[in-house]
Amino acid sequence: EDQVTQSPEALRLQEGESSSLNCSYTVSGLRGLFWYRQDPGKGPEFLFTLYSAGEEKEKERLKATLTKKESFLHITAPKPEDSATYLCAVQAIPSNTGKLIFGQGTTLQVKP
Amino acid sequence: NAGVTQTPKFRVLKTGQSMTLLCAQDMNHEYMYWYRQDPGMGLRLIHYSVGEGTTAKGEVPDGYNVSRLKKQNFLLGLESAAPSQTSVYFCASSKGTANTGELFFGEGSRLTVL
Repeated sequence: EDQVTQSPEALRLQEGESSSLNCSYTVSGLRGLFWYRQDPGKGPEFLFTLYSAGEEKEKERLKATLTKKESFLHITAPKPEDSATYLCAVQAIPSNTGKLIFGQGTTLQVKP
Repeated sequence: NAGVTQTPKFRVLKTGQSMTLLCAQDMNHEYMYWYRQDPGMGLRLIHYSVGEGTTAKGEVPDGYNVSRLKKQNFLLGLESAAPSQTSVYFCASSKGTANTGELFFGEGSRLTVL
């Protein structure tokens, strides 16, 4: 069964304190792995797509990496505005639609 | 550019009542989806559509029906609401070619069934 597990469930950081969020996945075949950000009361917002092991993507203070079994979202010198829930999702072969399997998310709080 | 718009944003129903959630997108996307989000469960796919006039079941389709009569609209119906359908519902859309996993979400519709 295809499955996505995120850890930790919640993470509290001080402003400037770097850390990483983990996304472990089990799929028969990976078409793509996606990271989304969700602010309270809002819909998820797309951040990154990773397709193959070894791939990395960066956006401001965020960097996503991918191995054959997990992905990490590294947050460097976070700011309070980075506080949100971060969702990881996988698209499994043979799906070529937005049928994504989501993890439960990691809620990040960055204190000033 | 509005993106994905959901109506209504909030609704309270009694058990057994029916209702329809409307999703509209103005990005000319081929694919549209309805997900539900529950605490501790993550987002789960209810139904989806790969084009006008077509629909398919997702992971948790029971108790829901959908229709896509126009490319820009995707309707989610509850014929006889149950307390288990209390949730936040998100509509999303994506292009029909590359990057199909890059979803554009609406702001959600919060439904409470008493």
